[in-house]
Amino acid sequence: DAGVTQSPTHLIKTRGQQVTLRCSPKSGHDTVSWYQQALGQGPQFIFQYYEEEERQRGNFPDRFSGHQFPNYSSELNVNALLLGDSALYLCASSLGISPEKLFFGSGTQLSVL
Amino acid sequence: DQQVKQNSPSLSVQEGRISILNCDYTNSMFDYFLWYKKYPAEGPTFLISISSIKDKNEDGRFTVFLNKSAKHLSLHIVPSQPGDSAVYFCAASEAGAGSYQLTFGKGTKLSVIP
Repeated sequence: DAGVTQSPTHLIKTRGQQVTLRCSPKSGHDTVSWYQQALGQGPQFIFQYYEEEERQRGNFPDRFSGHQFPNYSSELNVNALLLGDSALYLCASSLGISPEKLFFGSGTQLSVL
Repeated sequence: DQQVKQNSPSLSVQEGRISILNCDYTNSMFDYFLWYKKYPAEGPTFLISISSIKDKNEDGRFTVFLNKSAKHLSLHIVPSQPGDSAVYFCAASEAGAGSYQLTFGKGTKLSVIP
């Protein structure tokens, strides 16, 4: 049983560019949440998708957007990249929107130069 | 403003002894708390949780204690094993208010010495 899979594992971009990160949830899960983990910090909630809609959003600018597809997979898009967007981006899936037992992927390490 | 604080960046414990990891929170609306463990190059893994209606939850070697009046929780690992060496994150949510986003602390790196 595959867990949460994220792609790519590493990515290097330059300031001003746009990036798309992808996530496939654990089998049987229908909800996807995205978190940003900066170096030395805990994960910070970006947004959550359920039934192909953004259900909750953290304190992130509109440059951060997402999408959930009918097969429950999800994308995170970041426009106009800033140096401060360099971080580990974690995708987590769950059955329903409850916070219990979120399953996290290994993340995508984004470096913005 | 950090709403969930883990004030000890690191902790070293001898194998077989007890590990105690602490977490404080400031948001009185938090009513559900979780601990996650993270190994290098892996995502966080759920460890144990506790609802605000309880003051203790136990799962094998792991016990979480919640002191609502002090806005403090702790994770006890007994006995500690070398495989427990990892970064431990405390997280909280306002589940009762319908907000399921998790607010994490900065983590505590636990090293269990054989």
